[in-house]
Amino acid sequence: DIVMTQSPLSLPVTPGEPASISCRSSQSLLHRNGDNYLDWYLQKPGQSPQLLVYLGSNRASGVPDRFSGSGSGTEYTLRISRVEAEDVGVYYCMQALQTPYTFGQGTKLEI
Amino acid sequence: QVQLVQSGAEVKKPGASVKVSCKASGYTFSGHYIDWVRQAPGQGLEWMGWINPNSGGTNYAQKFQGRVTMTRDTSISTVYMELSRLRYDDTAIYYCAREIAVAGLDHWGRGTLVAVSS
Repeated sequence: DIVMTQSPLSLPVTPGEPASISCRSSQSLLHRNGDNYLDWYLQKPGQSPQLLVYLGSNRASGVPDRFSGSGSGTEYTLRISRVEAEDVGVYYCMQALQTPYTFGQGTKLEI
Repeated sequence: QVQLVQSGAEVKKPGASVKVSCKASGYTFSGHYIDWVRQAPGQGLEWMGWINPNSGGTNYAQKFQGRVTMTRDTSISTVYMELSRLRYDDTAIYYCAREIAVAGLDHWGRGTLVAVSS
């Protein structure tokens, strides 16, 4: 199975400041078609997870443009340009290159 | 709008089985896989498998092979996840989620709490 490792596991932030979360995979998530099969999810307190970014850098429908994803191969980053109070929760990366899909441990963003 | 409505919470004894339902609406049911993801209390997310509502084909994580069965009833746009031989560590919230091919799990149900307790 592909192992996903996130850092940091806890991220205290100040509203209006940028934030960054890293995700590393145990093997490359770059498909032969050129896409990176890496998604980002946010689970707000008491809610179901919600999709933020798919294929490494594509924002899901309705996701604010302050969220951006980048990376390739085994290294990926989710950036929030200016954190808002509503962004608190646990962020997960997930590889969708091969089953079983696997998630990172989660990064708790706190204000 | 797309909705996935899950069945209510369950309490089961060790060794029993549980069957959780997920009713889809707002889109073509047969057009997208449904995945199941679980989350133990205070823990992260764990992928269990998917079902293709069109063909009924399934793909289970090896960890759950032999204990999990995913089925669907196309007449009522509902998928089911049955987990057998329950253990205490199966206590978790079980989510269904719609999978858009190569574009992530874009809609999630609210989750179903399954508690395993004697």
